[in-house]
Amino acid sequence: QIQLVQSGPELKKPGESLKISCKASGYTFTDYAMQWVKQAPGKGLQYMGWINTQTGKPTYADDFKERFVFSLETSASTAYLQINNLKNEDTATYFCARGTVVAYWGQGVMVTVSS
Amino acid sequence: DIQMTQSPSSMSASLGDRVTITCQASQDIGNNLIWFQQKPGKSPRPMIYYATNLANGVPSRFSGSRSGSDYSLTISSLESEDMADYHCLQYKQYLTFGSGTKLEIK
Repeated sequence: QIQLVQSGPELKKPGESLKISCKASGYTFTDYAMQWVKQAPGKGLQYMGWINTQTGKPTYADDFKERFVFSLETSASTAYLQINNLKNEDTATYFCARGTVVAYWGQGVMVTVSS
Repeated sequence: DIQMTQSPSSMSASLGDRVTITCQASQDIGNNLIWFQQKPGKSPRPMIYYATNLANGVPSRFSGSRSGSDYSLTISSLESEDMADYHCLQYKQYLTFGSGTKLEIK
């Protein structure tokens, strides 16, 4: 069955960096783009952008053009989200989701940024 | 950029009530709209695809409709398990989510 399994929760300090993973299984990884979505505590879903799993080309939504990096390890069917220079407002759950019609989602990674 | 205006932001209804949530698109998105249900601590679950098509395993009390640029999710007879947040998403041009609706049971 199709699954997206994300890495575990993170507790970081402001200014630090982190890298979240999203491992896909049950389908051909390069057949579908990978989307990234942020959900701050008690808030709605915010689109961060996507990465073309065939070319590795990332596309970032306007609010995520600085400090955020999407990458791939295609041989491991894994997508990554790196956040640099963490800020308190990065505290959120981060989801990966497959394809344009986002039928499959990871379980989410809760990131807490606090001094 | 395409904006999705979702309403209401929250609502309270009784078991058995008919409930409707609406999203309005700022540009033409055709039927490229999905409705999600999200329960606390869980990932969003697709409920309706292509504006009107029920996803696999979704109860038939859920339905989607479109009138011009207005898209609606309707629950015909509210059940307790329907208490959740609901989100619309357009995928005509990149992705844009609505602001979400919190549905509570009276």
